[in-house]
Amino acid sequence: GQQVMQIPQYQHVQEGEDFTTYCNSSTTLSNIQWYKQRPGGHPVFLIQLVKSGEVKKQKRLTFQFGEAKKNSSLHITATQTTDVGTYFCAGSGATNKLIFGTGTLLAVQP
Amino acid sequence: GAVVSQHPSWVICKSGTSVKIECRSLDFQATTMFWYRQFPKQSLMLMATSNEGSKATYEQGVEKDKFLINHASLTLSTLTVTSAHPEDSSFYICSARKRERAETQYFGPGTRLLVL
Repeated sequence: GQQVMQIPQYQHVQEGEDFTTYCNSSTTLSNIQWYKQRPGGHPVFLIQLVKSGEVKKQKRLTFQFGEAKKNSSLHITATQTTDVGTYFCAGSGATNKLIFGTGTLLAVQP
Repeated sequence: GAVVSQHPSWVICKSGTSVKIECRSLDFQATTMFWYRQFPKQSLMLMATSNEGSKATYEQGVEKDKFLINHASLTLSTLTVTSAHPEDSSFYICSARKRERAETQYFGPGTRLLVL
């Protein structure tokens, strides 16, 4: 079945450093979504990418969808302590079901 | 807006009892709702897809007789964990989709279940 992997599983950065998480799907996706889950909380929708090669920005966050629509990345510039949490990508394919990635836990040290 | 609520937010029960979790779309009609389960430090795993007025579609490995899903209206889906056991302890999250083929899902706040 469809699998969505993320690397790294965990990253610890100093406040102000950049952070990137990578998402790879075993199958071509119709779209990719990104979610943030704070410790003890539920996933919160961040963004959706639909087009091949699409790049979207939200303040310090940059999201990219690969040309082959099988991979994606989330880059955070100058991390802040409020960025702490687990970032999940979620891909939607032919079945229109969301398959969540394995997640990347970001820890930010002040 | 698109707000999804879940009730209860947490529940502790004895082994062998059944627990019902409600998922409601508060300000929109949801043709489809999804139920996910998340174990500690793991990702969300889709359990089943629930369509209003029809039987739920369960993912491979999810027992339909243990996890009963009812989607009786366009704003309410329920998940009943029957004869719960400690290994069923998890974070259960629902999401709702506004219309057929819509790509955005709106997530509820989740229900933490602890089975003693």
